[in-house]
Amino acid sequence: QVELVQSGSEVKKPGASVRVSCMASAYTFANYPITWVRQAPGQGLEWMGWINTKTGDPTYSQDFRGRVVFSVDTSVRTTFLDISSLKTEDTALYYCAAVVPSVGGAFDIWGQGTKVTVSS
Amino acid sequence: SYELTQPRSVSVFTGQTAKITCSGETLSNQYAYWYQQKPGQAPVLVIFKDNARPAGIPERFFGSSSGTTVTLTIAGVQAEDEADYYCQSADNSMTYVMFGGGTRLAVL
Repeated sequence: QVELVQSGSEVKKPGASVRVSCMASAYTFANYPITWVRQAPGQGLEWMGWINTKTGDPTYSQDFRGRVVFSVDTSVRTTFLDISSLKTEDTALYYCAAVVPSVGGAFDIWGQGTKVTVSS
Repeated sequence: SYELTQPRSVSVFTGQTAKITCSGETLSNQYAYWYQQKPGQAPVLVIFKDNARPAGIPERFFGSSSGTTVTLTIAGVQAEDEADYYCQSADNSMTYVMFGGGTRLAVL
């Protein structure tokens, strides 16, 4: 079964950093770019950017450029989201999703989400 | 501009037709995608490239496009369709990707 499995919940203090992982299974990992989407509590979906899983080249949304880094380790079929200098407003669910060409580049395979809580 | 505007909520009775709109300048020359999100779950793609349905999505889900507005239509709404719905679009190189604010569909 094609799926993306994300790492577990995190609780961090303001100013700290966090790493969220997203592991792919049951498909050719490099075929699908991975995008990251944030959802604050009770709010909508917010696009953070995407990473080319073949080349490792990232593209960041203007709103997240500077504090967010995407990376990939093809040997373990895993994409990483690193957020530094965390703020309380970074408290959210973070989703990874695969960009699937056969459905016009839509986000057709989603991870289960990783809850990140930033609190002093 | 790269904003997509959706109504905050839509309410329909079971069996009726629900229409959820999404407006934005970019939609006149870029495809739209629709996602359904139920409480506590990840989003699910229900429409891609304006009006195509992924495998496994019920036939009662339709997408259409006219100018700068796209519409998700759910014919014969069922209780299980109660969810938040998000439209999404992007430029060709995925440098800019945007989601609409989301519409909560209430099934009465």
